[in-house]
Amino acid sequence: AQSVTQLDSQVPVFEEAPVELRCNYSSSVSVYLFWYVQYPNQGLQLLLKYLSGSTLVKGINGFEAEFNKSQTSFHLRKPSVHISDTAEYFCAVSVSGTSYGKLTFGQGTILTVHP
Amino acid sequence: DADVTQTPRNRITKTGKRIMLECSQTKGHDRMYWYRQDPGLGLRLIYYSFDVKDINKGEISDGYSVSRQAQAKFSLSLESAIPNQTALYFCATSDPGQKRNEQYFGPGTRLTVT
Repeated sequence: AQSVTQLDSQVPVFEEAPVELRCNYSSSVSVYLFWYVQYPNQGLQLLLKYLSGSTLVKGINGFEAEFNKSQTSFHLRKPSVHISDTAEYFCAVSVSGTSYGKLTFGQGTILTVHP
Repeated sequence: DADVTQTPRNRITKTGKRIMLECSQTKGHDRMYWYRQDPGLGLRLIYYSFDVKDINKGEISDGYSVSRQAQAKFSLSLESAIPNQTALYFCATSDPGQKRNEQYFGPGTRLTVT
């Protein structure tokens, strides 16, 4: 079975600073990887996804993530954050090559951007 | 209009009461899911359904039941609510044609059991 670990439960950062949210996964087979964002009092919204191909994936709102198979990581980065990026971020994994359709989520990382 | 809707958005109920959370979608997806979110635990899968006749337990199904009334509707019931079922509940959908398992989420239902 696959699992996901988000290494930081909370990340405080100042506006315009860079940020990295860390995600490691465990799986014995190939995976698809996702980052979702949850703004206060809202549902989850897909930020970006890695399916195959280029290991650097660009998403919405200036976020990007890099898939590192050897380190089983999928860290999320943004070079300059805004107050509006304050939210909870979830890394998720699903197993490729299956019709199972299930996602396994990490514990979430709360990003707080201070002025 | 939202593609995935949930009702109610907020609910307070007492221990022992039966409660139903409803989810409707206009995306035309066959697959639907129920999750609960607890602080520090992320989202955990309660039940999932790949079509109207296919319902499966997730990792934390005890104390919950579901009903798939139609392709577009998937309800979650708590037969006898208990305080540790206080959580944020999300419904999600996905398209079986996309085996990448990308899911689309509703806005959530905040349930408090007193």
